[in-house]
This record gives sequence, C-alpha cells and structure tokens, in this order.
Amino acid sequence: NAGVTQTPKFQVLKTGQSMTLQCAQDMNHEYMSWYRQDPGMGLRLIHYSVGAGITDQGEVPNGYNVSRSTTEDFPLRLLSAAPSQTSVYFCASSPQGALTGANVLTFGAGSRLTVL
Amino acid sequence: GQNIDQPTEMTATEGAIVQINCTYQTSGFNGLFWYQQHAGEAPTFLSYNVLDGLEEKGRFSSFLSRSKGYSYLLLKELQMKDSASYLCAVFSGGYNKLIFGAGTRLAVHP
Repeated sequence: NAGVTQTPKFQVLKTGQSMTLQCAQDMNHEYMSWYRQDPGMGLRLIHYSVGAGITDQGEVPNGYNVSRSTTEDFPLRLLSAAPSQTSVYFCASSPQGALTGANVLTFGAGSRLTVL
Repeated sequence: GQNIDQPTEMTATEGAIVQINCTYQTSGFNGLFWYQQHAGEAPTFLSYNVLDGLEEKGRFSSFLSRSKGYSYLLLKELQMKDSASYLCAVFSGGYNKLIFGAGTRLAVHP
C-alpha cells in the first residue's frame, strides 16, 4: 500500500492561475479530507468527503472546490489562486466516515503551495 | 463554534516528564485526538479519548475531563526524537469534521 499520495509536493503559482492538487489513496478508505496548515494557525479543514459522490465544506472552503468521483481520488481545485492561499496542504483519509480511536486519519506528506 | 487552546511552545530536558495541556469549547463532544507532527512531516495519530480518565500508551498518556473541557498529553522519559509539535483536535459536530488546535511545539534539550 502506498497510503495517501499527494502531488505535486511543491508548486509556485501566479495570482489568478488555477491548479489542482491531487490526492489518491489505495486503502479503500471512505473518508477523505483536505486541510491547510499555516504558521501559528494549525490545521484548518477545507473540505471533506464521506464517500464517492458526497462532499461537504469545512472551516475554510472559500476559494477551493472538490469532487469525489471515485473512492480513491479527492482532488482540490484552486480556481483563481490568491497569495492568501500560500500554505502547506494536507490530504487525509480514514476507513470510515465516523472518526474514532479505531478509525483515525492518515495524512499524506503534504503539498507546499506558494502564490506570488 | 469550536475553540481549542494549547500553549504555543514548551521546552523540556531529555529523560524528564512533560505535560501538554489542551482546553476546548465545543457545542457537542464526541471525542478528542492528539497528533504528533515533526517539522516538515505529516501529522501522525497518538491517542484518542472519549471518556473521562487516563489512556496510557507506552511513554505517552492522555487524560480527559469532559466537564472541564480539558485534556493533557503526558510524555515520560523524554527523548530527543520527541521534539515535535503536538496537536489537539476535537469534532465540530458529528464525527466527520475534525478541528485542530494551533499545536504546541516541544523542544527537548540534552
């Protein structure tokens, strides 16, 4: 198992450009989510999905779109990048939608995005 | 809404014991998680508490008091490799939206 795979690891964008951060997991996990991490602010939930075809908003969804057409993939789209979206982005998954001590989040290695 | 407070930074000596506190306010409590994150790496799961009391896992223990909205992570016999950030997380309604505190950066010195 590769676990949770994020691509790219690093990306530099100009303001207004669009891009997609890819997240794939090969563990047949139902639950997937995207977080961003900024210094002093910890991890903030952007969007999450409890299964294929189902997505919902987290704490900071504005400026980001997601879709979940397959169980394996959960891409995060930035339609028009802004400098405020400079951050480290983490994708995480868990076997089932209800998170517990036996059903924990597994994080990908992260994608560092810089918007100039 | 949710509010999670943790100290920003702590320092400790190798071999010692350190307690990292977390206080939270949440509209409905469904459990509290602790994660460890080394610099430049992904967070990894440490512990989960849903009932009051102490959960022990080797050198790490986590305590919860639901009535006080309080948890702590206790690290014993500190090692240099324990230098990391420790993140407290609670649910924002239901069991799907996990909200993290800003984390406590622990530096372990020889």
